[in-house]
Amino acid sequence: AQSVTQPDIHITVSEGASLELRCNYSYGATPYLFWYVQSPGQGLQLLLKYFSGDTLVQGIKGFEAEFKRSQSSFNLRKPSVHWSDAAEYFCAVGGMEYGNKLVFGAGTILRVKS
Amino acid sequence: DTGVSQDPRHKITKRGQNVTFRCDPISEHNRLYWYRQTLGQGPEFLTYFQNEAQLEKSRLLSDRFSAERPKGSFSTLEIQRTEQGDSAMYLCASSLLSGSPNYGYTFGSGTRLTVV
Repeated sequence: AQSVTQPDIHITVSEGASLELRCNYSYGATPYLFWYVQSPGQGLQLLLKYFSGDTLVQGIKGFEAEFKRSQSSFNLRKPSVHWSDAAEYFCAVGGMEYGNKLVFGAGTILRVKS
Repeated sequence: DTGVSQDPRHKITKRGQNVTFRCDPISEHNRLYWYRQTLGQGPEFLTYFQNEAQLEKSRLLSDRFSAERPKGSFSTLEIQRTEQGDSAMYLCASSLLSGSPNYGYTFGSGTRLTVV
């Protein structure tokens, strides 16, 4: 069965600093990979997704993620964090073999200090 | 199209009462999903529909839970005889079929259920 691990429950970065949120997945076939962001009390907004092709994907709000099959990872990065990026970030994996339902990690809460 | 809509946004109910939530997906999306999210956790899959057919239900979906999607449009999720453990955010999402260039889930803002 597929699973997703986000090792960091909380991360604090200074505004303007770079950010990397880690995501490791377990999946038997070619995965579909997603990063979502959630503000308190809100639903999830899609940041970016990977299906195939170029392993470096660009998303909204200046985020990017790199798929590394050898490491089963799909880490999210941003070169310069803004205070408005403070939120909870979820990595998710899915695929046709599992009816396209997504399995989510437990999330990483990002705090931005000024 | 304004995205995925969920109603109500918040629901407070007494233990033992029945509640029903509604989800209106993006109109051209074939698939509709229900997820549950408890505090400090990622969303967990409950069930999904392709058009009007309910294709899969999670073991999390006890007999007290039922979901419908009549005519393949909006969906309802009903919880009977609510328990305090049902308190959570219930998220609805919709998507096209996989293989579409625009495949991906769009989530609604969720319904926050509090059982007192």
